[in-house]
Amino acid sequence: QKEVEQNSGPLSVPEGAIASLNCTYSDRGSQSFFWYRQYSGKSPELIMSIYSNGDKEDGRFTAQLNKASQYVSLLIRDSQPSDSATYLCAVHANAGGTSYGKLTFGQGTILTVHP
Amino acid sequence: DGGITQSPKYLFRKEGQNVTLSCEQNLNHDAMYWYRQDPGQGLRLIYYSQIVNDFQKGDIAEGYSVSREKKESFPLTVTSAQKNPTAFYLCASRARDRVNQPQHFGDGTRLSIL
Repeated sequence: QKEVEQNSGPLSVPEGAIASLNCTYSDRGSQSFFWYRQYSGKSPELIMSIYSNGDKEDGRFTAQLNKASQYVSLLIRDSQPSDSATYLCAVHANAGGTSYGKLTFGQGTILTVHP
Repeated sequence: DGGITQSPKYLFRKEGQNVTLSCEQNLNHDAMYWYRQDPGQGLRLIYYSQIVNDFQKGDIAEGYSVSREKKESFPLTVTSAQKNPTAFYLCASRARDRVNQPQHFGDGTRLSIL
């Protein structure tokens, strides 16, 4: 079983719709969760971080965390063509209590927003 | 401007050659990381360093080496032992003084075989 798994995609939504990206993780001790956006040929950029159960909103983005289900998601409201990118879920691993800030990444979900 | 600078942007390696990728940061971050990304895949950790003169192997360290002689710099050498080096290499850094800090990335170096 992969440590961090994302819905396989690719995901295609019409402009203005809600895009829903999902991620599950296997390490129950994980404490920090991040969503990165990566445009084709570019490096990842941080768009959301979440540490507590529940929802966290930032503009059109909402991150949701459920530690009991080991599940984290990213919702993009009013999707725009400029949101078309690969979205990477990253989990701060907890190796025996000394994680050294090591992130484990999912394989990414390609999102396409069509006009 | 504070940030992470990777150079060169593109690099070509001949058979049997070692090449070094540069990563410099002026964010005063203690922790630095090197990742490899292959097409259509996520990031895999090669090496990481929490403090100067100390570094740890990541998940795919074979065929790579690093040094951390200065806080600002964490160069990666791709040795001739790495038989499939073609990939996008990303350097990241992170502050350690506060918990739950994210990693921030440089613009990457794209390495290809000649």
